[in-house]
Amino acid sequence: SQQGEEDPQALSIQEGENATMNCSYKTSINNLQWYRQNSGRGLVHLILIRSNEREKHSGRLRVTLDTSKKSSSLLITASRAADTASYFCATDAGGATNKLIFGTGTLLAVQP
Amino acid sequence: DTAVSQTPKYLVTQMGNDKSIKCEQNLGHDTMYWYKQDSKKFLKIMFSYNNKELIINETVPNRFSPKSPDKAHLNLHINSLELGDSAVYFCASSRRGGGEQYFGPGTRLTVT
Repeated sequence: SQQGEEDPQALSIQEGENATMNCSYKTSINNLQWYRQNSGRGLVHLILIRSNEREKHSGRLRVTLDTSKKSSSLLITASRAADTASYFCATDAGGATNKLIFGTGTLLAVQP
Repeated sequence: DTAVSQTPKYLVTQMGNDKSIKCEQNLGHDTMYWYKQDSKKFLKIMFSYNNKELIINETVPNRFSPKSPDKAHLNLHINSLELGDSAVYFCASSRRGGGEQYFGPGTRLTVT
């Protein structure tokens, strides 16, 4: 399967703590994206990191990318109960189709 | 002013029936997608259209037929529904050349 793997599958933390999710993938990429999915809702794009970038920040989000290890991590700092959701990484190999291959997701629960 | 909308939100039907799901985006994007998310939350691309031209057609049974009447609409017709078709189907759109995708709220299809 081309699907990426995310680790951990589930994570439970207290409000104010940091949450780290990891993503490993199998093929060369043009970019890697992270999405959030609240229960019963569609996916929302969080951040995109290109293959020639190593780190990117957006608000409380920090994403790293290591193309030599084919892995990425998403760090959410100072978590809030509203961050409770599933988080997915998705890889785009580029080319004519820009097809996204999604990871298996991490279910994050932030306890108030 | 919803960016990507889908109808219906819920669809309950019996095996053997034929059903359609509609998707519309008002973002001016050229590319639209259909994804299937199963009960384990695995999200997989099914089809992609770029300005009404089919560019991604994954290994999907030919009972599934996408139709794009114009670049703002992408519909999914499913013939002879089977129990295994039960899932949440998401429509998404993006600019030409890839990048972040905008997802609709999903259609939960239940086949009984």
